[in-house]
Amino acid sequence: NAGVTQTPKFQVLKTGQSMTLQCAQDMNHNSMYWYRQDPGMGLRLIYYSASEGTTDKGEVPNGYNVSRLNKREFSLRLESAAPSQTSVYFCASIGSGVFSNQPQHFGDGTRLSIL
Amino acid sequence: AQTVTQSQPEMSVQEAETVTLSCTYDTSENNYYLFWYKQPPSRQMILVIRQEAYKQQNATENRFSVNFQKAAKSFSLKISDSQLGDTAMYFCAFMNGLHGNKLVFGAGTILRVKS
Repeated sequence: NAGVTQTPKFQVLKTGQSMTLQCAQDMNHNSMYWYRQDPGMGLRLIYYSASEGTTDKGEVPNGYNVSRLNKREFSLRLESAAPSQTSVYFCASIGSGVFSNQPQHFGDGTRLSIL
Repeated sequence: AQTVTQSQPEMSVQEAETVTLSCTYDTSENNYYLFWYKQPPSRQMILVIRQEAYKQQNATENRFSVNFQKAAKSFSLKISDSQLGDTAMYFCAFMNGLHGNKLVFGAGTILRVKS
């Protein structure tokens, strides 16, 4: 089925460990996004990639890095995990268009716990 | 910067009754889109309904409808004939396509439908 695939679905890390969350979409979308969801705060944008080869910071980028590997894949890396990064992470994508009215398509999320 | 406010952290409704979830937003833009997303316990992000700001007519999708008041910057969701399957977290979201199609989310409202 077409869509956004995130791996892994669950992960537990120790403080200071590194980890890369993977995201791939097969809808030929230009733009991809990483959000984090915390209780009482909704989803907040970490980084996004408007097109292949570009990345930009969102609202909460500190402690994260991203790579737009190709048009399909957009990864999120935690270099030195901290307990404050315990969250549910969502990847999303959207098609092209200067002013798109298409909703973003979301992956199923990754629950990340940092001890 | 755009902000989205959902003032009701939790709501409950009896099965078959009608409930309205509130959302207000702040923006200086004139052209934008508004969305309601549903997040059931499975954690999936499911688009419920969308509204284009340039349209005066309120959007409707089966039992779901919105009351869009552009001047008041208000975007409420009405669910008619509530069903047990409507139990979920509901997020209001704003998107301006001229800024990378980024979504700005409210904090969410937990809706519980009681039998």
